[in-house]
Amino acid sequence: SQQGEEDPQALSIQEGENATMNCSYKTSINNLQWYRQNSGRGLVHLILIRSNEREKHSGRLRVTLDTSKKSSSLLITASRAADTASYFCATGGGFAGSQGNLIFGKGTKLSVKP
Amino acid sequence: GAGVSQSPRYKVAKRGQDVALRCDPISGHVSLFWYQQALGQGPEFLTYFQNEAQLDKSGLPSDRFFAERPEGSVSTLKIQRTQQEDSAVYLCASTFSRGNNEQFFGPGTRLTVL
Repeated sequence: SQQGEEDPQALSIQEGENATMNCSYKTSINNLQWYRQNSGRGLVHLILIRSNEREKHSGRLRVTLDTSKKSSSLLITASRAADTASYFCATGGGFAGSQGNLIFGKGTKLSVKP
Repeated sequence: GAGVSQSPRYKVAKRGQDVALRCDPISGHVSLFWYQQALGQGPEFLTYFQNEAQLDKSGLPSDRFFAERPEGSVSTLKIQRTQQEDSAVYLCASTFSRGNNEQFFGPGTRLTVL
């Protein structure tokens, strides 16, 4: 079974706009990760935020984490057509996420129109 | 510096056939994971190896699924007597150490059972 949900399920924006995707999860975590998947490159790790962090930046990506609400958001600024992909959040399996396997949400399908 | 490789990339099987899917993890990576991804869904955990030891196989959907990693490197996922519901993309991922860290994914094997 999947850990949680991303929303929206699908998002369509114009190049240059910002895209925000949200993720909710169910159990306690050590960290939360975001991955991107497109047909060309498979599933690629984007960013990891630890449970004691509230915000993290990497290039055009900004991730927030609210452990009290069990939710995270991924913001992509100044989007490009190449950002078109599905985005998944993932948390750790096992007790408090310590096991190692990842539990993924259903993903947000982002389409960036040139 | 090769990443995770999987073969074959595509496999078409007739219902009832046995299939074997191969994963070559990144050299030196201790942990290896198999996931199943149905169309439009996020990946779901199947099984986990640390070196040659299969530490968790709780995600394998039935006893028709079997995985091995005899020398702690290459892994094979075998599905016996394939059924139509086995049609999915099978993803392999590896990490350097145990624990809930960034995972490096292969391109996947798309299995279609007719």
